[in-house]
Amino acid sequence: RKEVEQDPGPFNVPEGATVAFNCTYSNSASQSFFWYRQDCRKEPKLLMSVYSSGNEDGRFTAQLNRASQYISLLIRDSKLSDSATYLCVVNDNQGGKLIFGQGTELSVKP
Amino acid sequence: EAGVAQSPRYKIIEKRQSVAFWCNPISGHATLYWYQQILGQGPKLLIQFQNNGVVDDSQLPKDRFSAERLKGVDSTLKIQPAKLEDSAVYLCASSLMTDTGELFFGEGSRLTVL
Repeated sequence: RKEVEQDPGPFNVPEGATVAFNCTYSNSASQSFFWYRQDCRKEPKLLMSVYSSGNEDGRFTAQLNRASQYISLLIRDSKLSDSATYLCVVNDNQGGKLIFGQGTELSVKP
Repeated sequence: EAGVAQSPRYKIIEKRQSVAFWCNPISGHATLYWYQQILGQGPKLLIQFQNNGVVDDSQLPKDRFSAERLKGVDSTLKIQPAKLEDSAVYLCASSLMTDTGELFFGEGSRLTVL
């Protein structure tokens, strides 16, 4: 089983749609979770952290289910500029090692 | 504030040749990472430094890859000899602390091995 697994997509959605990405992780001791965004041929950048209580940043909502070892990212009212690859990242708590999932590609169409 | 600098941006070599990549992290960032990103995959950690000490190099193919971080600032990643499967983007990242999830990445060095 991979340490961090994501549905690779691609997800093709129209503008204004709501889209959700899922991610599972294998290490039950993991404590910190994040979503990164990577534009085509660019470097990854932190989108948001994922807290146990869930957190929201504008149109983006991240949630964590520790029992199921599952993280999600919800994007509401999708914009063309949201087109990118979204990477699920887990801190394995061993020296701060961050493990990236393979990424989920999103394409928002007009 | 200057970001993470990497060079070269692009490199094409033939298999069995050697290559070196350089990284200059954000000033004051103690932790430095080298990731390998193969097309269509997420970044894979090769090595993590805390100042000039190695924290994790469990996924570094030590028979051909080496990395160093002299004086706890700049770092170099070397591949010798290169294989076809080493074709990837080599991303350098730095962070202020190890317990934060915010890594600042450089633009990467794209390697093509022919």
